[in-house]
Amino acid sequence: EVQLVESGGGLVQPGGSLRLSCEASGFTFGDFEMNWVRQAPGKGLEWVSYSSNSGTIRHYADSVRGRFTISRDNAKNSLYLQMNSLRAEDTAVYYCARRHWMGMGFDYWGLGTLVSVSS
Amino acid sequence: EIVMTQSPATLSLSPGESATLSCRASQSFSSNYLSWYQQKPGQAPRLLISGASTRATGIPDRFSGSGSGTDFTLTISSLQPEDFAVYYCQQDYNLPYTFGQGTKVEIK
Repeated sequence: EVQLVESGGGLVQPGGSLRLSCEASGFTFGDFEMNWVRQAPGKGLEWVSYSSNSGTIRHYADSVRGRFTISRDNAKNSLYLQMNSLRAEDTAVYYCARRHWMGMGFDYWGLGTLVSVSS
Repeated sequence: EIVMTQSPATLSLSPGESATLSCRASQSFSSNYLSWYQQKPGQAPRLLISGASTRATGIPDRFSGSGSGTDFTLTISSLQPEDFAVYYCQQDYNLPYTFGQGTKVEIK
């Protein structure tokens, strides 16, 4: 059974940092592209970042570029999101999501981890 | 960036009725990369439809998708109580991948 479990969320002050983790199981992690998607309270879904299966290709939304860094450790079946210089508008539930092997949508999602940025 | 626009924002319907949700893209792309998701309160999104018209595993056949180019449609025939939720379209043809703003299907 495919599972994605996020962790690392919490309350942080503006300007602070957090590192989110997503532990994958039930599939060959290194074969799949992965993404982070966030959802601010009461709002819609916003794609945040992409990692190729090897981790060598990374992309970011304009809203986080230069502040967030996506990485992965295929040996540990884990995806990460290092978030620096956090702002109030980064407050959201952060989901990791697997991209279908044929590139047709995000077929598995974690339950999400809540990041709150507030003083 | 491909902007995805969904309409209507809210759809008020009764159980047993059909729902038609629209998603329009700011530029044309292969329908292989158009997906629909369902999200219920407090839950993660769930993939319903990929490739514009292919139901994901376990999705009932009352959900159907269609469209090409810039215009796509999700149809839910005979709404069941568990279908009242928010629905999002998404393109993963070009980075940045983008979602529509969502359509809430609510009980009338």
